[in-house]
Amino acid sequence: QAVVTQEPSLTVSPGGTVTLTCGSSTGAVTSGHYPYWFQQKPGQAPTTLIYDTTNKHSWTPARFSGSLLGGKVALTLSGAQPEDEAKYYCILFYSGARSWVFGGGTKLTVL
Amino acid sequence: EVLLVESGGGLVQPGGSLRLSCAASGFTFSSYWMGWVRQAPGKGLEWVANIKEDGSEKNYVDSVKGRFTISRDNAKSSLYLQMNRLRVEDMAVYFCLGGPHADYWGQGTLVTVSS
Repeated sequence: QAVVTQEPSLTVSPGGTVTLTCGSSTGAVTSGHYPYWFQQKPGQAPTTLIYDTTNKHSWTPARFSGSLLGGKVALTLSGAQPEDEAKYYCILFYSGARSWVFGGGTKLTVL
Repeated sequence: EVLLVESGGGLVQPGGSLRLSCAASGFTFSSYWMGWVRQAPGKGLEWVANIKEDGSEKNYVDSVKGRFTISRDNAKSSLYLQMNRLRVEDMAVYFCLGGPHADYWGQGTLVTVSS
C-alpha cells in the first residue's frame, strides 16, 4: 500500500501564511489522485475543506486554497486565524488498487 | 439540514462481530458514493471502505478485506458496515461520510475491541 506523507507539525503566526504539503511514496501527486483536505479539531468529526485538488466547499473559508506544488499537493492558509488551529489531513486515491490513503496529518498551531 | 448518524458501536471481544449503521437525511443518499473512515484513539484517520451509489462497486483497505462488508439500502437512506473477526487493532471511532465530494460526515461511533 502506498504511503502518504505530511509534515507532522507546523506553526504559523496569526495573520501569517503557511503551506501544508502531501506527498506520495509512488511518485508525483497529480489531479488523478483526486486529493482532498480535511480539518479536524479536538473531539470533533473532520470537515472537508478542499476536494479534487483545488475546489472549495461553500463552508470553506476563502483563506484556504489548494494546489499542486513540486510533485505534491498543497494546502495554503493565507491570513491564519486562531480558529484555524487544528489537525489537517490529506487523502489520495490510488486507481490501480481502487483505494484511498490518508496522510498522517499535520498539526497546525497558530501562535 | 444534512445529518449522518452512526450507531451500532460498542464493546466486543476479539473475534466477535458488530454491525454499524449510518442513517442519512437531508440529501439524495442514493446519488452518491458513501464510505467509512476510522480513527483509533489518539491516532490519525484511516479510510476503511466505500461503496458506489448502486452498490455495484465496493472497495476496502487491505487490513479489513475478508472481514468487513460494506452495504447500503438506498430505500432506507442507510449505510452499513458488517465487521467480523474483530481484532484489537480495529478499535476506533468509525465515521460514515459521503455526498457529492465527501461533503458530509457523521459524528462517529466508538468500537471497542477488548477481552
